[in-house]
Amino acid sequence: GESVGLHLPTLSVQEGDNSIINCAYSNSASDYFIWYKQESGKGPQFIIDIRSNMDKRQGQRVTVLLNKTVKHLSLQIAATQPGDSAVYFCAENNRRGGGSNYKLTFGKGTLLTVNP
Amino acid sequence: DAGVTQSPTHLIKTRGQQVTLRCSPKSGHDTVSWYQQALGQGPQFIFQYYEEEERQRGNFPDRFSGHQFPNYSSELNVNALLLGDSALYLCASSLRGGWNTIYFGEGSWLTVV
Repeated sequence: GESVGLHLPTLSVQEGDNSIINCAYSNSASDYFIWYKQESGKGPQFIIDIRSNMDKRQGQRVTVLLNKTVKHLSLQIAATQPGDSAVYFCAENNRRGGGSNYKLTFGKGTLLTVNP
Repeated sequence: DAGVTQSPTHLIKTRGQQVTLRCSPKSGHDTVSWYQQALGQGPQFIFQYYEEEERQRGNFPDRFSGHQFPNYSSELNVNALLLGDSALYLCASSLRGGWNTIYFGEGSWLTVV
């Protein structure tokens, strides 16, 4: 079945360092991937997304890389700040060319702790 | 522009009771999905509503049902509550079609005792 997993359940970094959070997916039919940030007691917050026709996408301080050959996704956070401390989830979806499938499949998440 | 709003934020129910959770999608969105998130886990898809009909369903029993209203808001109903239903229930909304972003609300924390 479909599944999305993370290589590291926890990641601890120093303030100012760059962070890399990894994710593996198993459904080769997935064509849309999203990273969410979830702070304690809150709902998932959209960070960045990428379609399967792209290898890289950049946002503000964040970059998502997609390697379809090995079914691997990563989120890079530049100059990590204490406010970045949260659980990060990757989610996959098969939009079937922008169709009606809105089921996101999530992994367990990675807890990022930023030490001041 | 309000994002996805959910109510109530917290509630406690007894086993066997029924609960209704409510969601207003982000302005302009017409598709609503519900997710269950157990402690320490990622969200699990329950179902999706569009044009007032259930369009997709995850692996959840019939005790979980929903509704979407003409104004696109939605309700999640859970009957015959079990202790294992204790979780954070998340509502997500999107504008249907294309590659539009899916946004989540802050969730409703349900505790079943």
